[in-house]
Amino acid sequence: SQKIEQNSEALNIQEGKTATLTCNYTNYSPAYLQWYRQDPGRGPVFLLLIRENEKEKRKERLKVTFDTTLKQSLFHITASQPADSATYLCAPGGHGSSNTGKLIFGQGTTLQVKP
Amino acid sequence: GAGVSQTPSNKVTEKGKYVELRCDPISGHTALYWYRQSLGQGPEFLIYFQGTGAADDSGLPNDRFFAVRPEGSVSTLKIQRTERGDSAVYLCASSLSSGIEQFFGPGTRLTVL
Repeated sequence: SQKIEQNSEALNIQEGKTATLTCNYTNYSPAYLQWYRQDPGRGPVFLLLIRENEKEKRKERLKVTFDTTLKQSLFHITASQPADSATYLCAPGGHGSSNTGKLIFGQGTTLQVKP
Repeated sequence: GAGVSQTPSNKVTEKGKYVELRCDPISGHTALYWYRQSLGQGPEFLIYFQGTGAADDSGLPNDRFFAVRPEGSVSTLKIQRTERGDSAVYLCASSLSSGIEQFFGPGTRLTVL
């Protein structure tokens, strides 16, 4: 069955450093991969979508890579700030021609940025 | 404009009871999704609607779970004979179409005693 793995341990970094979060998937060939941010008690908020034919995508301080050979996506936050502290969810999606938009989420990685 | 709203925000019920959870998607969004999330886990897909029809209900755990979207807008998730294991946060999301970013509601926290 499809499996999505993210770092289960919390990631603690110092303000100003770059945070790198990993998402690995198996038994799956997604057409795209989305990253979401989730704060406690709230629903996830969309950050970035990267398609299988894209290697890298950037948005302000965020950068996502997508390696379909390694079956891995890396999510980077540069110049991190305490306000970036949250849980980050990886969600591959798309199943060939039957694309329903259904997302399979990883368990999330909690990022803590210390001032 | 208004985002996705869900009611109630919290629901406490007893084992064996029936519950209904409501989702109001963003106006004009044809795709609607239900997920459920347990503590420390990512959201788990339940069902996807495109318009009024359930296009993918492969995530519904068993026949106690049912969802409707009769007019292609508001959706209701219905759970019969609730069990303690149904306790979770139930999230609704909508999008303009499938395969793009999804907008999530705040969720309904269901507790089955």
